[in-house]
Amino acid sequence: DTAVSQTPKYLVTQMGNDKSIKCEQNLGHDTMYWYKQDSKKFLKIMFSYNNKELIINETVPNRFSPKSPDKAHLNLHINSLELGDSAVYFCASSLDWGSSTDTQYFGPGTRLTVL
Amino acid sequence: GNSVTQMEGPVTLSEEAFLTINCTYTATGYPSLFWYVQYPGEGLQLLLKATKADDKGSNKGFEATYRKETTSFHLEKGSVQVSDSAVYFCALTQRGNQGGKLIFGQGTELSVKP
Repeated sequence: DTAVSQTPKYLVTQMGNDKSIKCEQNLGHDTMYWYKQDSKKFLKIMFSYNNKELIINETVPNRFSPKSPDKAHLNLHINSLELGDSAVYFCASSLDWGSSTDTQYFGPGTRLTVL
Repeated sequence: GNSVTQMEGPVTLSEEAFLTINCTYTATGYPSLFWYVQYPGEGLQLLLKATKADDKGSNKGFEATYRKETTSFHLEKGSVQVSDSAVYFCALTQRGNQGGKLIFGQGTELSVKP
């Protein structure tokens, strides 16, 4: 059973389009995250949600809008895609946002290529 | 602000060689420290962690000790295998309202040759 799953795995699209990436976790965790990995493999947090509420928004452009319909899902919608949005996007989850010791479990990633 | 610095890669070793990947951090208070590993084409997996000073994390032959006095969390393995080839990330989290947010180092790519 996959703990954290993301769809799609690959996404190729044109500049200016709008796209969504979906994430689901079956671990019963309260907290979910989106991270962006750039072409040099550097990872940076974008958002964190706890029980469907936004906790962290790391100065991400407002073209990026996360949505959490329930605590097992955290989707990422991106409007007006730009070349610089090309990256691998990882979803992750952990038991509780308030703990700094919790392990985060990562999904397999979605490779977004903007042409 | 909080940050993590890792030694630059790529690191290329022969099978059974000794591995050290250096990691130092800057943080206020007492962060928790992690090593994550990313195998080619996959997501990140926790390799080991330490949540307080002098703790040693270990897993699959890898070890790292939380050294507050030198603000370091170096990763070591006594004898690497080809299957250890991956990118290794050192990371920290901080207590408080940023709890859970992982701050990563830049990653170190390891390539182990037979």
